[in-house]
Amino acid sequence: AQSVTQLDSQVPVFEEAPVELRCNYSSSVSVYLFWYVQYPNQGLQLLLKYLSGSTLVKGINGFEAEFNKSQTSFHLRKPSVHISDTAEYFCAVTIQTGGFKTIFGAGTRLFVKA
Amino acid sequence: NAGVTQTPKFRVLKTGQSMTLLCAQDMNHEYMYWYRQDPGMGLRLIHYSVGEGTTAKGEVPDGYNVSRLKKQNFLLGLESAAPSQTSVYFCASTKTRQGSYEQYFGPGTRLTVT
Repeated sequence: AQSVTQLDSQVPVFEEAPVELRCNYSSSVSVYLFWYVQYPNQGLQLLLKYLSGSTLVKGINGFEAEFNKSQTSFHLRKPSVHISDTAEYFCAVTIQTGGFKTIFGAGTRLFVKA
Repeated sequence: NAGVTQTPKFRVLKTGQSMTLLCAQDMNHEYMYWYRQDPGMGLRLIHYSVGEGTTAKGEVPDGYNVSRLKKQNFLLGLESAAPSQTSVYFCASTKTRQGSYEQYFGPGTRLTVT
């Protein structure tokens, strides 16, 4: 069975500090990896994705993530956060099995403090 | 393009009442999904559809039914609402051709069952 674990439920950080949101997954089949962001009272929107190729992927708003196959991780990073980055972040894996299914992690709430 | 839209945005039901949530997408996507979001649990897949006229069960299908009579619409029905179905419901769609697997989400429907 596939699963996604986000290791931190909440991450408080000061403005302009770096941040890393951790994500580990388990799967017996190949996966596509995603990070989505959800701002308050909104739906999710894509931050970045890894389908193949370079293991370092860059997304919107200065975020990047690195796919590590041996550690089955896909951690999200940003070198300097802004107040506007306060949101909930979801790691997700998509697998192809009788169609395409996506499994989401429980989410990490990022609080950026002034 | 409107993307993915959901109707209604809010609804309060009494236990035992029924209702239908409507999702519409104008991106000609093949796949459509219904999720529920509960605090600390991420998104859980209720039902999904891989094309017009087809539906399949997800992780938490009990108490829900779906229909996809037209490619652009995906309906979620609650036959007899229960307080455990109080949640935020998100619809999403995916373009799986041309190597794109990201999901596009609607703004959500907040349902309260009393």
